[in-house]
Amino acid sequence: EVQLKESGGGLVQPGGSLRLSCAASGFTVSGNYITWVRQAPDKGPEWVSIIYSDDSTYYADSVKGRFTISRDKAKNTVYLQMDSLRAEDTAVYYCASVYWTNGIWYIGALDVWGQGAMVTVSS
Amino acid sequence: AIQMTQSPSSLSASVGDRVTITCRASQGIRNNLGWYQQKPGKAPKLLIYAASNLQSGVPSRFSGSGSGTDFTLTISSLQPEDFATYYCLQDYNYPLTFGGGTKVEIK
Repeated sequence: EVQLKESGGGLVQPGGSLRLSCAASGFTVSGNYITWVRQAPDKGPEWVSIIYSDDSTYYADSVKGRFTISRDKAKNTVYLQMDSLRAEDTAVYYCASVYWTNGIWYIGALDVWGQGAMVTVSS
Repeated sequence: AIQMTQSPSSLSASVGDRVTITCRASQGIRNNLGWYQQKPGKAPKLLIYAASNLQSGVPSRFSGSGSGTDFTLTISSLQPEDFATYYCLQDYNYPLTFGGGTKVEIK
């Protein structure tokens, strides 16, 4: 069964750092596009970042320069390093895989999601 | 960034009703749009990709249409398990952007 599982969430002070992990099972992260989406309490989802199979990366303007997405092929895990955290980064963070079919990556078609990891930035 | 405007923000409907949700992009996005269903405490679930393609395993009562700036998600006959919040997501360019959501409630 194809699954993603996030870990590493928690409470952190403003200005602090946290690293989220997204462990995959049933497929390899190295051959897939993986994205992070967050959702603040009682708000809609917000796209955060994506890593392609060729290691290209893209970020939302709100996190650019503070967050870094990366991948460890040996551990079959994608990471989101979050630095200089702010109160407005408080959210549930989901990782999700991008749907691929017939040779096409549908970037906005996120077909497998993790259960989410809560990140709270507060003093 | 491309702005995605969903309407209505909420609606009340009965089981068996036909429901239509609209998403409008601030610029043309071809057919680069997906639709998601989200229930409380759960991750979003992909329903439609590339504007009109039904994701595997999703009931055929869900359908999507549109191209350019105007898109529609239709539920042909609302079922009890369809009461949820629905979001559109454009992937025409980065940053990807979601619509504000449409909450479908029981009348």
